[in-house]
Amino acid sequence: EAGVTQFPSHSVIEKGQTVTLRCDPISGHDNLYWYRRVMGKEIKFLLHFVKESKQDESGMPNNRFLAERTGGTYSTLKVQPAELEDSGVYFCASSPLSLRDRDTSGANVLTFGAGSRLTVL
Amino acid sequence: SQQGEEDPQALSIQEGENATMNCSYKTSINNLQWYRQNSGRGLVHLILIRSNEREKHSGRLRVTLDTSKKSSSLLITASRAADTASYFCATVKYNFNKFYFGSGTKLNVKP
Repeated sequence: EAGVTQFPSHSVIEKGQTVTLRCDPISGHDNLYWYRRVMGKEIKFLLHFVKESKQDESGMPNNRFLAERTGGTYSTLKVQPAELEDSGVYFCASSPLSLRDRDTSGANVLTFGAGSRLTVL
Repeated sequence: SQQGEEDPQALSIQEGENATMNCSYKTSINNLQWYRQNSGRGLVHLILIRSNEREKHSGRLRVTLDTSKKSSSLLITASRAADTASYFCATVKYNFNKFYFGSGTKLNVKP
């Protein structure tokens, strides 16, 4: 079974440019999350999709960030225009929605991608 | 903030020693999970403890949870160089599928 795939693994752009990060979750996982880690600080929640719907986007920093999940499969996170403080590692994670697919205790656990490192110069 | 906070921020030990990391949080939870991140990789789920449990074991891992103190600890026994990684706790609220992470503990196990 393929894991969570993120692309690109590293992106270097200049301030003011646009970057689009992509996440392919595990097939069948309806929950999809985006997180960001800046310079060794906490892994900060950005938003949560259930299928194609945004369940919670309270962690999105501002309107320069736009996340989509058309068709409830892969997701994209666009930053436009990028600022210096947007640099960090963006993680995507997915988990099943169905109780049947969860761990033996019925709780949900996350499967993470390797992350996309964004450097804004 | 609802996120868990790990301490210490960094821990360096010799192979064979035990490593203990702590996590404190602020709100009520459904369960608490520990994840490991090797450099350049994604986080990997290690172990989960539910709010009505006090202790769980998995191989060389032992997790405790004290809901009255809103704290958890992760013990890695007989550490190995391969355990070198960052460890994060994630607090999970009931029925919201929300996972909150802290800053992590960076563990270095010297061979």
